[in-house]
Order: sequence, then structure tokens, then C-alpha cells
Amino acid sequence: EAAVTQSPRSKVAVTGGKVTLSCHQTNNHDYMYWYRQDTGHGLRLIHYSYVADSTEKGDIPDGYKASRPSQENFSLILELASLSQTAVYFCASSDAIAGRDAEQFFGPGTRLTVL
Amino acid sequence: AQSVTQPDARVTVSEGASLQLRCKYSYFGTPYLFWYVQYPRQGLQLLLKYYPGDPVVQGVNGFEAEFSKSNSSFHLRKASVHWSDWAVYFCAVSPGTGGYKVVFGSGTRLLVSP
Repeated sequence: EAAVTQSPRSKVAVTGGKVTLSCHQTNNHDYMYWYRQDTGHGLRLIHYSYVADSTEKGDIPDGYKASRPSQENFSLILELASLSQTAVYFCASSDAIAGRDAEQFFGPGTRLTVL
Repeated sequence: AQSVTQPDARVTVSEGASLQLRCKYSYFGTPYLFWYVQYPRQGLQLLLKYYPGDPVVQGVNGFEAEFSKSNSSFHLRKASVHWSDWAVYFCAVSPGTGGYKVVFGSGTRLLVSP
């Protein structure tokens, strides 16, 4: 069954440490996205990618990097984790067909706590 | 820029009662609209979608939504709520192309009382 998986599901990191969140999709989708969710807020787009080896900045990219080594895999990297980056992170994928690219399929999320 | 407002952060409904969750959007033109549901400790799942056409769209599990251009609304409805509907519901708007342009509302938490 096609799906989006994320690892780890939860993580505790120390301030200033490096964190890598991984996402893998078997939907055969070209587009992938990283969002963060804060309590009481909707999802905010951090980075996205249309094709392997290319990433784009979303609405809140500061403090984050992304990597798309293959169509199936998309990573989010926090080089120097900060307290303000405590949140739940969601990965999503979507088709590349115009009109369908807005219909996104989400992973289960990674709960990141920075201490 | 497009935006979505879900005015109710929390809604409590008795099991078996009807439900309406409100969504107001701001978009110049004809939008694509979505309702997603997030069950506890899970990612978002698509509940239903509106692509320009019939204003009433049907989704899974008895949910439906109605697009109103005059009211800039896309309210979600269900005739009879079940305890398993306890979740957070997100409305989203998109121009139709460019997945990175999807804007999500802040969500409405639905609580179902016995």
C-alpha cells in the first residue's frame, strides 16, 4: 500500500545539536513537502521539492535545510537545533499533475522536543 | 494572498447529533478547497476535496461540504456524528496548481460527547 513514512516518530534533542528527520514515500509522487505544526496553529511549509536533487524554500525556511537524494526520500535537517524548533513535523507528498498537486498525502509526523 | 479562517477552535457535539464546522477562505479567483482530518497521533488524511464544479462534495464516512463563492465559505457537515469522529479538522485552500501554495487553517478540534 502506498504510504508516507517518517523516522523517527519522536526525538529529544539538545540545543545546538544537529537533528535529521527522514521521510520516505512509496506513492511514486514527484512532489514532497516538510511542514511544522505548532499547538493551535495550522501547518506551515518549511521546504519542498519537485524533483530529486533539488529543494525549494517554503514560508519558514530559516534554521532548516532539506535534502532530496531520490524521488522516494526527503530529509529535513536542523544544523543547530533551538528551543523554538520544538514542534511536530509532517512530511507529505503529492502528484505532479496540475490540479492534483494540491492533494497531499501525509506521514504520521515526528514529535521533536529541543531541550 | 490566500488565507483560511476556521473561527471555532473547538466544537463539542453529542453523538448522533448533526455537525457543521465552519471554514472561510480568502482567494481572488476560484479556489480548490480541501478538508483534512487528523486523528490523535496521526498525520492528516484527506476527507474531501472541491475542484471547480458541483458546489456540494461528498467525502468519506458521511461527510460533505458545500462551496459558496458568495460567502467565501466551505463548511463541513455531517448528519450524525459518531464517537470515532473525535479529531482535529483542517480546512485548506489552493489555487489549483503548485502544491507549495496550499494554505491550511488553524484547525477545529471536534469533541464528541456520549
